[in-house]
Amino acid sequence: DSGVTQTPKHLITATGQRVTLRCSPRSGDLSVYWYQQSLDQGLQFLIQYYNGEERAKGNILERFSAQQFPDLHSELNLSSLELGDSALYFCASSATSGGSLYEQYFGPGTRLTVT
Amino acid sequence: LAKTTQPISMDSYEGQEVNITCSHNNIATNDYITWYQQFPSQGPRFIIQGYKTKVTNEVASLFIPADRKSSTLSLPRVSLSDTAVYYCLVGDGGATNKLIFGTGTLLAVQP
Repeated sequence: DSGVTQTPKHLITATGQRVTLRCSPRSGDLSVYWYQQSLDQGLQFLIQYYNGEERAKGNILERFSAQQFPDLHSELNLSSLELGDSALYFCASSATSGGSLYEQYFGPGTRLTVT
Repeated sequence: LAKTTQPISMDSYEGQEVNITCSHNNIATNDYITWYQQFPSQGPRFIIQGYKTKVTNEVASLFIPADRKSSTLSLPRVSLSDTAVYYCLVGDGGATNKLIFGTGTLLAVQP
């Protein structure tokens, strides 16, 4: 158990809909990262927040947005969903702001299926 | 933009040493190289991290040449439970703090 929790574990929705994925980092970790994993794209970095502020942005679509709240939990919002958005979405946390420098702890993921 | 490439798959037998290489041709001067292990339907798990030369911990070694354009994860005496996908992770080499996972290497360990 990494100490990172993600909800829900599974999500099935229709095209055009909007969903919110939630992540709680390990106790004391200030950074939260979001990743998308699909069969054809592998693990793709989406975005990183550090102590409530956006720190780095990866290949995140404009239809997707995220935020980190004062209690450090984070939410990833996916809107106007398309079939191609079906994937595993992972959240990770680390103690500090350094992207590749510090060990990231990954949650169990949310499997999103868009039908 | 950094590009990280790995062999798609490797086969090994129990008890052998396995070396998996990652090519990261545009790594930033201050970026570290991290390796993760992933089992099906689970999040990646940290294995080892290094900046240059050699790093060793209780499960693996990491070799990084002077130019840092590649790195090699070495797993000594693998067992069946080491069958997994292994990823390297680096920064994108620019000022954006983006992170790039390698393409992943599926290691299959046979008895």
